[in-house]
Amino acid sequence: SAVISQKPSRDICQRGTSLTIQCQVDSQVTMMFWYRQQPGQSLTLIATANQGSEATYESGFVIDKFPISRPNLTFSTLTVSNMSPEDSSIYLCSGTDGIYGYTFGSGTRLTVV
Amino acid sequence: AQKVTQAQTEISVVEKEDVTLDCVYETRDTTYYLFWYKQPPSGELVFLIRRNSFDEQNEISGRYSWNFQKSTSSFNFTITASQVVDSAVYFCALRSAGNMLTFGGGTRLMVKP
Repeated sequence: SAVISQKPSRDICQRGTSLTIQCQVDSQVTMMFWYRQQPGQSLTLIATANQGSEATYESGFVIDKFPISRPNLTFSTLTVSNMSPEDSSIYLCSGTDGIYGYTFGSGTRLTVV
Repeated sequence: AQKVTQAQTEISVVEKEDVTLDCVYETRDTTYYLFWYKQPPSGELVFLIRRNSFDEQNEISGRYSWNFQKSTSSFNFTITASQVVDSAVYFCALRSAGNMLTFGGGTRLMVKP
């Protein structure tokens, strides 16, 4: 199965700033997803990253706050914009080829101060 | 809509005890996949098993076993002779139409020496 490199692994950011998280897959995947995991909670899907077009966002998430790019089949970025302490979470990307299951990045642990 | 319920939020056992983690799911799709993931304190998601809706055979992998019962929409996970290294959060997840995963709330397992 694919291997996903996600960076940064962690960051501490000032409120009002933005952070871009990158995920690089070592092989082509059909679909890529971004998840948020708030402290002590489960994973919540933010959006499906679509290659070459706008991401598909889940209810409660908007493009202005979480812009996503996916320029090709192996790379995607998630930006957390205008951050507040409530954005402190683990952010994970995931990829699937639709056949062999899902691979996850190692996560980005974000703290907003 | 899909839903995954892990009723046990936290379980504490003593090493060498057997422990079962419950997972109940809801979906209207006839074809779907169920997964279990382990999330150790480091935060990454470790894939444990994938099961499709047409395969109700139970599976055993070392100390791990899974019991899939469509009649009760359950996919339970048993760890035999638990070890301290099994301490983690375990997530059950469902994939049906759309290819995205829906996660349960997770069960935190603490294995004490």
